[in-house]
Amino acid sequence: DADVTQTPRNRITKTGKRIMLECSQTKGHDRMYWYRQDPGLGLRLIYYSFDVKDINKGEISDGYSVSRQAQAKFSLSLESAIPNQTALYFCATSDSGLGDTQYFGPGTRLTVL
Amino acid sequence: DQQVKQNSPSLSVQEGRISILNCDYTNSMFDYFLWYKKYPAEGPTFLISISSIKDKNEDGRFTVFLNKSAKHLSLHIVPSQPGDSAVYFCAASGRSGSEKLVFGKGTKLTVNP
Repeated sequence: DADVTQTPRNRITKTGKRIMLECSQTKGHDRMYWYRQDPGLGLRLIYYSFDVKDINKGEISDGYSVSRQAQAKFSLSLESAIPNQTALYFCATSDSGLGDTQYFGPGTRLTVL
Repeated sequence: DQQVKQNSPSLSVQEGRISILNCDYTNSMFDYFLWYKKYPAEGPTFLISISSIKDKNEDGRFTVFLNKSAKHLSLHIVPSQPGDSAVYFCAASGRSGSEKLVFGKGTKLTVNP
């Protein structure tokens, strides 16, 4: 079984709809992250959480919100989806410590029409 | 301002030859560097890392070199295999305690049989 899972894997929605992407991990890591990948732009950090009570904005948090429901679960919401939020979304986890490695989920492909 | 730069969007090499992927960074506070590999429809997977106290780290066919004075690192793959064809991301983190990773935009490597 995968250590980091994301649901759904693919989603097509319409402008203005509320969307939630979910991430679960079985690695026992404290830290969780949400990234988006756009062609030619690499991976950009949306939000991150270092423990259940900690939420931090990343590079591109506008239009997104997150919830850390438990150590193992971190969800990303688009309150009112817009077409330029069409992208690949990745969840990642890491253990605490300097220079820790992040482990990524398989991604969610979101299309906003 | 892009703190981690991968100036070559793509690279093509012959099977058996060396692949050299380059990465430059601008933030002198970065002290830990990683390379990730990403296949289509999958999340990035950790490949190899290097701390700023070293100038070389080797793992099988993969070697990462770090030149701190030039703020440059490179990934060498020898010998290259068709299965190495993927997008390679360089990432860096600093000693701020936040351990956020900053990613480059990626280089697509194609290894031709």
